[in-house]
Amino acid sequence: GENVEQHPSTLSVQEGDSAVIKCTYSDSASNYFPWYKQELGKGPQLIIDIRSNVGEKKDQRIAVTLNKTAKHFSLHITETQPEDSAVYFCAATPPTGFQKLVFGTGTRLLVSP
Amino acid sequence: DTAVSQTPKYLVTQMGNDKSIKCEQNLGHDTMYWYKQDSKKFLKIMFSYNNKELIINETVPNRFSPKSPDKAHLNLHINSLELGDSAVYFCASSQGRGGANTGELFFGEGSRLTVL
Repeated sequence: GENVEQHPSTLSVQEGDSAVIKCTYSDSASNYFPWYKQELGKGPQLIIDIRSNVGEKKDQRIAVTLNKTAKHFSLHITETQPEDSAVYFCAATPPTGFQKLVFGTGTRLLVSP
Repeated sequence: DTAVSQTPKYLVTQMGNDKSIKCEQNLGHDTMYWYKQDSKKFLKIMFSYNNKELIINETVPNRFSPKSPDKAHLNLHINSLELGDSAVYFCASSQGRGGANTGELFFGEGSRLTVL
């Protein structure tokens, strides 16, 4: 089955810096790669996603890149703000016909003012 | 108006007890899920229902029994609770059952279960 690895596990940056979180997946048939943000005491919330027919997607300060050949994808956050502090999860889902997200192990991002 | 709501938010109980967590979504989605998040924040799918039909059942002990009375509700009953069951359980929903219809999961706020 699919296996998703994520790193780093923790990331501390200064406000205004960029942050990059990287994930690799094992199943070359996986075709959907979302990123979720989990704030303290809340459920994860989708922030951006990318499908396997696209190499890059941007939404304001966040972007995701996908390298299908290498089976890795990354989340880029520019001009970080304290409210970006949270745990971020990458995920992958193979085209099984069922929605079965396999999550990475999470990255705790801390943005210091 | 809460999209995916779970009750209770906190649950503290003794080993060996039986407990239930309830979930309701008002988004009109036809697929619902239970995810377990352990103390290291690892999120793993347990079950998925589409229109009341069980479509995903991961290798979860049979002490865990999900029930979906209708497509807006998915409950989780746990028998003979063990220390290792302590975790945060998240309910989620999505439109479509996956594949070409893969889309956003909407999560509830979680139910923190502590087994003493």
